[in-house]
Amino acid sequence: GAVVSQHPSWVICKSGTSVKIECRSLDFQATTMFWYRQFPKQSLMLMATSNEGSKATYEQGVEKDKFLINHASLTLSTLTVTSAHPEDSSFYICSASSGQSSYNEQFFGPGTRLTVL
Amino acid sequence: SQQGEEDPQALSIQEGENATMNCSYKTSINNLQWYRQNSGRGLVHLILIRSNEREKHSGRLRVTLDTSKKSSSLLITASRAADTASYFCATVQLGAQKLVFGQGTRLTINP
Repeated sequence: GAVVSQHPSWVICKSGTSVKIECRSLDFQATTMFWYRQFPKQSLMLMATSNEGSKATYEQGVEKDKFLINHASLTLSTLTVTSAHPEDSSFYICSASSGQSSYNEQFFGPGTRLTVL
Repeated sequence: SQQGEEDPQALSIQEGENATMNCSYKTSINNLQWYRQNSGRGLVHLILIRSNEREKHSGRLRVTLDTSKKSSSLLITASRAADTASYFCATVQLGAQKLVFGQGTRLTINP
């Protein structure tokens, strides 16, 4: 149980275009989803936390108008990178929490590699 | 912001040897977790240790937590080539939901 999927697993796009990444919890309801970004050979940096049905909470330094997050259902959250530029190229990972664990256990997706040309 | 510091940043050992990685953090925590990440892949949850626990085992993994020193260690015994990966500690602060990751240790097991 506790499987999280991401789609696509990789995407290449031209500079200036927008890219949408989906994160799905397959066998549980995710009240909270998290989006992380990871640059090569670096650690995961939390971008934002989204709770189903409410606006996402962005970490300091993350532009909410550039990284649009929608968490419209208990099994799906999307991250849209708007007007992507080469510096947005990164590995984007989502995680999901059911909120039922007292330790707020998160289950991670396999990640999406974004390359902006 | 990143609050975890891990050392070493990179570790290369021979298969069969034990590998020890350390993690330090700055604030009071609810729990600390260790994850493995193979190159270009997602995270695999290894073990969670609560703030009131001092040691935990899972197979060949042994995790210790010293809240007075705000540090944790991950020991992998009898290492295998398949253990080659990056290992991250992550903390959940008191009253918070989010995970704060350390910088990670890149472990290479040489056959």
